[in-house]
Amino acid sequence: DAKTTQPNSMESNEEEPVHLPCNHSTISGTDYIHWYRQLPSQGPEYVIHGLTSNVNNRMASLAIAEDRKSSTLILHRATLRDAAVYYCILRPDSNYQLIWGAGTKLIIKP
Amino acid sequence: GAVVSQHPSWVICKSGTSVKIECRSLDFQATTMFWYRQFPKQSLMLMATSNEGSKATYEQGVEKDKFLINHASLTLSTLTVTSAHPEDSSFYICSPGARGHYEQYFGPGTRLTVT
Repeated sequence: DAKTTQPNSMESNEEEPVHLPCNHSTISGTDYIHWYRQLPSQGPEYVIHGLTSNVNNRMASLAIAEDRKSSTLILHRATLRDAAVYYCILRPDSNYQLIWGAGTKLIIKP
Repeated sequence: GAVVSQHPSWVICKSGTSVKIECRSLDFQATTMFWYRQFPKQSLMLMATSNEGSKATYEQGVEKDKFLINHASLTLSTLTVTSAHPEDSSFYICSPGARGHYEQYFGPGTRLTVT
């Protein structure tokens, strides 16, 4: 029970922004929204997380809807190295396991 | 972010033998260790959670006598696959955690092939 819904795959052109959506309509007030990505044959990599406010870091931006029932991961300028499976995960506490859904496979076209 | 290493990165073993996978948290005190496995084209599946100095808690369907987890220190955890069979062939990933650290870090994974 991943509690999040993401498109199976998305395509984008290199050097263009990418908006990866995630629906989490049953989110509770204490759930943090996490994003991870996994490149082929590698362990997952932390991307970003947030609770209510939009968040920015060197990798990406996270836009969280006002009702928190959806969020969008924004890669401002996609490169070929951003081709990966992106996972949107809800996590109530750092002591809780991450529950992995199927994620979105992002394909970057040169 | 934290640096996590796994050794070996890949291993091929014969059916019936045992394989030990090491996970080191090089700059992070891992009070908790999550062990995952991932079959081709599938998502990560949690196998077990261990707290430093305690016995691991296994997920339903994961045999604790087959997948031995040791988490004796804050920087080292091991997963031993005993009497490996071809169906144990998978990508095994460790992930150290600690209370208050919301970012979760992961090892690079170990590819196990049992022939």
